[in-house]
Amino acid sequence: AQSVSQHNHHVILSEAASLELGCNYSYGGTVNLFWYVQYPGQHLQLLLKYFSGDPLVKGIKGFEAEFIKSKFSFNLRKPSVQWSDTAEYFCAVNGASSASKIIFGSGTRLSIRP
Amino acid sequence: EPEVTQTPSHQVTQMGQEVILRCVPISNHLYFYWYRQILGQKVEFLVSFYNNEISEKSEIFDDQFSVERPDGSNFTLKIRSTKLEDSAMYFCASSPGGGLAGYNEQFFGPGTRLTVL
Repeated sequence: AQSVSQHNHHVILSEAASLELGCNYSYGGTVNLFWYVQYPGQHLQLLLKYFSGDPLVKGIKGFEAEFIKSKFSFNLRKPSVQWSDTAEYFCAVNGASSASKIIFGSGTRLSIRP
Repeated sequence: EPEVTQTPSHQVTQMGQEVILRCVPISNHLYFYWYRQILGQKVEFLVSFYNNEISEKSEIFDDQFSVERPDGSNFTLKIRSTKLEDSAMYFCASSPGGGLAGYNEQFFGPGTRLTVL
């Protein structure tokens, strides 16, 4: 079955702490991988994406993610978080060979203490 | 930069009423999608649309739902007889398509919050 698992439901950090949010997926074939962010009361925004090539991808606002194919993982990282990073983060996957539906994880709520 | 737009931003309706949610995808995109997010839950796929027909739909997308591209620019989602559990944020997305890396990125609209009373 196609699915995305985000193991952390709610993460609380202090400003300047390092962040790593876990994401594992189950999907047959070649995949595209995404991280989306949803700030309170706002819509989905794409943080970063992996289609092919370098498995370490850099996105906006200092975020990066690493695709480890052998582990079916695409963890999100940021070396030093800010209060403004408080948001819900969604990992997502779709098939690489066609414009297929995106399957989202259940999300991780990130709260940053100022 | 081109973007997907959706109207209205918020729709309140009575249970049993019909609603139409509207989306204007990015020009020249070929694939169109509707997703929904019930408050506090994850985003779920509803339906995809290509070449004027549904290409895939989820089990959520039952007979009360329909989609249409009436005029070559708008893409609509109709809910025939709304239920309380239809209350959610509905996101439209579009993709250029083409099967190559980079052409499968879906661009999301800001969403329509549907409240069914």
